[in-house]
Amino acid sequence: GNSVTQMEGPVTLSEEAFLTINCTYTATGYPSLFWYVQYPGEGLQLLLKATKADDKGSNKGFEATYRKETTSFHLEKGSVQVSDSAVYFCALSAGTGANNLFFGTGTRLTVIP
Amino acid sequence: DTGVSQDPRHKITKRGQNVTFRCDPISEHNRLYWYRQTLGQGPEFLTYFQNEAQLEKSRLLSDRFSAERPKGSFSTLEIQRTEQGDSAMYLCASSLSTDSPLHFGNGTRLTVT
Repeated sequence: GNSVTQMEGPVTLSEEAFLTINCTYTATGYPSLFWYVQYPGEGLQLLLKATKADDKGSNKGFEATYRKETTSFHLEKGSVQVSDSAVYFCALSAGTGANNLFFGTGTRLTVIP
Repeated sequence: DTGVSQDPRHKITKRGQNVTFRCDPISEHNRLYWYRQTLGQGPEFLTYFQNEAQLEKSRLLSDRFSAERPKGSFSTLEIQRTEQGDSAMYLCASSLSTDSPLHFGNGTRLTVT
């Protein structure tokens, strides 16, 4: 079946620290992979995506590379800001036409000044 | 683009009562999804529409749940004879096509007492 395993939080970092949030997946077929972010009081927003192996998604200084050999899609940012404090969700789309997403449990990130 | 709109934002109901939620997708999006998110978990897929046709339903969608999208625009999700286990955030999302990202609303938080 399809599932996503995500690093448990919460994660607390100082401003300008390096961020890694681990994500591994299990999927049938060739999924697309996503990171969604949920800022306090707001809905889920797409942060970045990758649709095939070795693709790198990037946005707002965040990056993630689709690694088929390790079935991973780890999220990284070189220097976090207080405004990055949010809950981050890794997700996959099975690519079967419905385009529905399978989400991980989410990782809460708090960045302190 | 006014975004995906959900109503109400919060609903408190007594066990055994029926509740109905509404979702207005982004106007040109023909795909509409319902998800449920419980505390500390990622969103879980419930059902999906393409235009007015309900094409997929999760096993999470028990007989007490019914979703409609009568004219291919807004959608409603009804829960009959609510139970305390139904307490969750109910999220609606829409997308333009299979390859398009999902745009989420802010959700309806249901509390069953």
